[in-house]
Amino acid sequence: AQSVTQLDSQVPVFEEAPVELRCNYSSSVSVYLFWYVQYPNQGLQLLLKYLSGSTLVKGINGFEAEFNKSQTSFHLRKPSVHISDTAEYFCAVIYMEYGNKLVFGAGTILRVKS
Amino acid sequence: GAVVSQHPSRVICKSGTSVKIECRSLDFQATTMFWYRQFPKQSLMLMATSNEGSKATYEQGVEKDKFLINHASLTLSTLTVTSAHPEDSSFYICSAIDGSSYEQYFGPGTRLTVT
Repeated sequence: AQSVTQLDSQVPVFEEAPVELRCNYSSSVSVYLFWYVQYPNQGLQLLLKYLSGSTLVKGINGFEAEFNKSQTSFHLRKPSVHISDTAEYFCAVIYMEYGNKLVFGAGTILRVKS
Repeated sequence: GAVVSQHPSRVICKSGTSVKIECRSLDFQATTMFWYRQFPKQSLMLMATSNEGSKATYEQGVEKDKFLINHASLTLSTLTVTSAHPEDSSFYICSAIDGSSYEQYFGPGTRLTVT
């Protein structure tokens, strides 16, 4: 069955340090991959997406992610985080053989400390 | 970017009453909209897929008679929680899909509290 795994429920990190939020998905022939951010009491905002083409995708707020088909991963990275990056981050996947439904990971709370 | 609105943003209702939540795509036509439910500190759970002009497709375990979905036009889908109970209290989020990019645009969510 299709699933999305975010291995870390919480990631604490100091301001200006690099961060990586991990995401793995079920092996599938064709997938579209997304990262969303949710600030407290707000809706989801798209950070970046991979549909095709270059496996390194750059998004808003300095985030980037790399699609690794052999490892079925789509880890999110930022070289230097800010306090304002504190939020919950969701990895999501569309498995094309199952239509256009997004399957969400459980989320990772990023806590940036000063 | 594309905007999806939800109304109301917050609603408090008494047990046994029904509540309607609207989801609108403001600057694009959405043939498909999705309704999610998010419990505190958990991920989004897909409740149903709403297709314009046809019946919604509900996920396993979601009661279609309790959560009525109507997608009457290309810009509006509604979710009605019928005979609400306290356990229905949750954050309900809709999204609308842009068919050309497969990107889903999410509404800001509706917090339902049933007393």
